[in-house]
Amino acid sequence: DSGVTQTPKHLITATGQRVTLRCSPRSGDLSVYWYQQSLDQGLQFLIQYYNGEERAKGNILERFSAQQFPDLHSELNLSSLELGDSALYFCASSPGQAGAGANVLTFGAGSRLTVL
Amino acid sequence: DAKTTQPNSMESNEEEPVHLPCNHSTISGTDYIHWYRQLPSQGPEYVIHGLTSNVNNRMASLAIAEDRKSSTLILHRATLRDAAVYYCILRPFSSWGKLQFGAGTQVVVTP
Repeated sequence: DSGVTQTPKHLITATGQRVTLRCSPRSGDLSVYWYQQSLDQGLQFLIQYYNGEERAKGNILERFSAQQFPDLHSELNLSSLELGDSALYFCASSPGQAGAGANVLTFGAGSRLTVL
Repeated sequence: DAKTTQPNSMESNEEEPVHLPCNHSTISGTDYIHWYRQLPSQGPEYVIHGLTSNVNNRMASLAIAEDRKSSTLILHRATLRDAAVYYCILRPFSSWGKLQFGAGTQVVVTP
């Protein structure tokens, strides 16, 4: 158990639907990151939050949004789902303070999304 | 962000050392060198990181070239559990933290 909790572990839904993935970071970590891993794309960075504020953005689609709540958990919302959104979605956390180059990321076990 | 180059795959026999190379010729002076691995059907897992000096931990050793343009991750005695994709990533000191993963090296360990 890495200390980063992701729910749900598996999710099957239909095209056009909306889903929410949840992440609880490791105790004491203030930064949360979201990654997408599909078979043909590898691990793609989506977005990062630090203590409730967005800090970095990657190749996140406009149909996707995220937020980090005061209790530091984060949610990734995926809407108008397409077949190509089927992937593993990983959340990671780190202490995240400035000078963070040395910080280590701890990843969760992932949420597997299947869009039919 | 500076890029890294790794071989696509490497094979090793169980209980033998594995040396995983990584080239990062455009590294800047404040880039940390991080290694993560991803076992099948699991999230990435931190292995080791360093800046200038060689580093050791319970999982592996990291040897960094004097000019820092390359590094080598050393698994001292490979086990079947070490079969994974290994990622070499550069991370600026001032970065707010996003890790950019490349394709990594697939390590195959044979009994």
